[in-house]
Amino acid sequence: AQKVTQAQTEISVVEKEDVTLDCVYETRDTTYYLFWYKQPPSGELVFLIRRNSFDEQNEISGRYSWNFQKSTSSFNFTITASQVVDSAVYFCALSEEDDYKLSFGAGTTVTVRA
Amino acid sequence: DVKVTQSSRYLVKRTGEKVFLECVQDMDHENMFWYRQDPGLGLRLIYFSYDVKMKEKGDIPEGYSVSREKKERFSLILESASTNQTSMYLCASSPIGVDEQYFGPGTRLTVT
Repeated sequence: AQKVTQAQTEISVVEKEDVTLDCVYETRDTTYYLFWYKQPPSGELVFLIRRNSFDEQNEISGRYSWNFQKSTSSFNFTITASQVVDSAVYFCALSEEDDYKLSFGAGTTVTVRA
Repeated sequence: DVKVTQSSRYLVKRTGEKVFLECVQDMDHENMFWYRQDPGLGLRLIYFSYDVKMKEKGDIPEGYSVSREKKERFSLILESASTNQTSMYLCASSPIGVDEQYFGPGTRLTVT
């Protein structure tokens, strides 16, 4: 069964618009970790954030922010005032307790047009 | 900075050939991983290794094998390449006890 669902396949926005990427996960563990990775056209996945299941505080890093809600099993990612350089594929991933493996969602392709 | 390198960015092979994909990391990480990435499917784990000479199957190991003779190097082997193995292959590594993974640039393999 899919552990991580990214329902949005592609999102296209105009520069300076905000864009929110949805991520819904599924696990029976009480301890788990959630991740977001960015894959620019160059291909290499870049780590953006790691959040453990006990920390529901929202996080902001520059134009990026993350909203973690255990009640809805969601870990959504918002890019504020998008820029062309934000164009990439974004992956949400889950790691369960005592397991080094990551389960990835299918990814969301974000295209930011100038 | 952690650096994970992969031997080729692009590779074209013929059906039935034996294919080696090499991955090297320079940060003394214990864990290493091989994924394949396909549109609409995200990244799927093929094999991983948590120590030299140790390996475990991931979600889609069929048609693949791996080798880890040295800590820094993790090889993915396609014994007899088939067209359905045309894909992007990504290698990653992580230190023990840490689940954040560091990725290489990927190898886009085409099997004709």
